Amino acid sequence: DSGVTQTPKHLITATGQRVTLRCSPRSGDLSVYWYQQSLDQGLQFLIQYYNGEERAKGNILERFSAQQFPDLHSELNLSSLELGDSALYFCASSVGQGSEQFFGPGTRLTVL
Amino acid sequence: GDSVTQMEGPVTLSEEAFLTINCTYTATGYPSLFWYVQYPGEGLQLLLKATKADDKGSNKGFEATYRKETTSFHLEKGSVQVSDSAVYFCALSDNSNYQLIWGAGTKLIIKP
Repeated sequence: DSGVTQTPKHLITATGQRVTLRCSPRSGDLSVYWYQQSLDQGLQFLIQYYNGEERAKGNILERFSAQQFPDLHSELNLSSLELGDSALYFCASSVGQGSEQFFGPGTRLTVL
Repeated sequence: GDSVTQMEGPVTLSEEAFLTINCTYTATGYPSLFWYVQYPGEGLQLLLKATKADDKGSNKGFEATYRKETTSFHLEKGSVQVSDSAVYFCALSDNSNYQLIWGAGTKLIIKP
């Protein structure tokens, strides 16, 4: 158990819908990272927050957004969902920037 | 941009065989290098890491050496077990934005 929690574990929704994925980092970790794992694209970095501020952006679509709240939990919002958004979404946390990242169990999103 | 290339799988071995999974990288600076493991149905776990040239990371019988001259970080284990069956990811993190850049993953199957 890494100490990073993600909810829900599974999410099934329809095209065009909007969903929110939640991540609670390990106690004391200030940095949160979001990654997408799909069959065709592999693992890709989406976005990073550090102590509530966005620090780095990767291949994140404009339909996707994220935020980190004062209690350091983070949410990833996916809107206007398409079939191709079906993937495993991982959250990771670290104490600081550049520290070892610990991964949550992931949220499996299925868009029908 | 930075990238990681690792050997395609699946790699199928018998128990107690020697394992090598090749990983090479392209980076403009001096990245940190990682091997992560993903067991079936689980999240990503850090297996080992190396932060500078000639460093050797090791854990659970696995080893990898950071070779700057060949831009490689090959994963090795002297005697694999059935329980090592998993997907192994090579990744790098540059020291400016700390996002992890991933290889495609190599599925390892160990037969008893």
